[in-house]
Amino acid sequence: EAGVAQSPRYKIIEKRQSVAFWCNPISGHATLYWYQQILGQGPKLLIQFQNNGVVDDSQLPKDRFSAERLKGVDSTLKIQPAKLEDSAVYLCASSLDADKGGYTFGSGTRLTVV
Amino acid sequence: AQRVTQPEKLLSVFKGAPVELKCNYSYSGSPELFWYVQYSRQRLQLLLRHISRESIKGFTADLNKGETSFHLKKPFAQEEDSAMYYCALSGLLGAGKSTFGDGTTLTVKP
Repeated sequence: EAGVAQSPRYKIIEKRQSVAFWCNPISGHATLYWYQQILGQGPKLLIQFQNNGVVDDSQLPKDRFSAERLKGVDSTLKIQPAKLEDSAVYLCASSLDADKGGYTFGSGTRLTVV
Repeated sequence: AQRVTQPEKLLSVFKGAPVELKCNYSYSGSPELFWYVQYSRQRLQLLLRHISRESIKGFTADLNKGETSFHLKKPFAQEEDSAMYYCALSGLLGAGKSTFGDGTTLTVKP
């Protein structure tokens, strides 16, 4: 089966600019997650979708971050405006059954804000 | 609140030696625990989950609810085991969302 696809792989932007990341989960996986991984730390959940509905966005900085999953398949994560502390790897993951955990991760997008 | 602690940032062993990567958790309900691994230049991937009680690549992990631990063990480490290992917890109330530890970098020396 095809894996979780993410693009771009790398992105460098200046602070206060905007950026968007794209994720295509494994076909049939209803649950999609966006995680932020800062260097030296473990992944931290930003938002969880079940189909096209938001299950948990309690850790998403909503003043600057937004995410959507139209049609319950692909998802985009946007940051506007970016801050230096947003420099991180943004990971997308999907799972077939949210109740059982255990994800398949994408390769991530490494964002550098200068 | 869910919390996962991996007390060792770095762990180095010689090939053929036993290895144990520690993971402690905090959760008030019944947790589901996972180990993920990230090899150099590869994506993060699921290694094993406690409910499966399986051995993957010679690794096992036992959930100890009394000590709230889920340590990852392998009796004879191989050089190809060198990687970053993350412990993760998923609580039933979280509907699948996982909390990750900060990871342990394992280096297996020849």
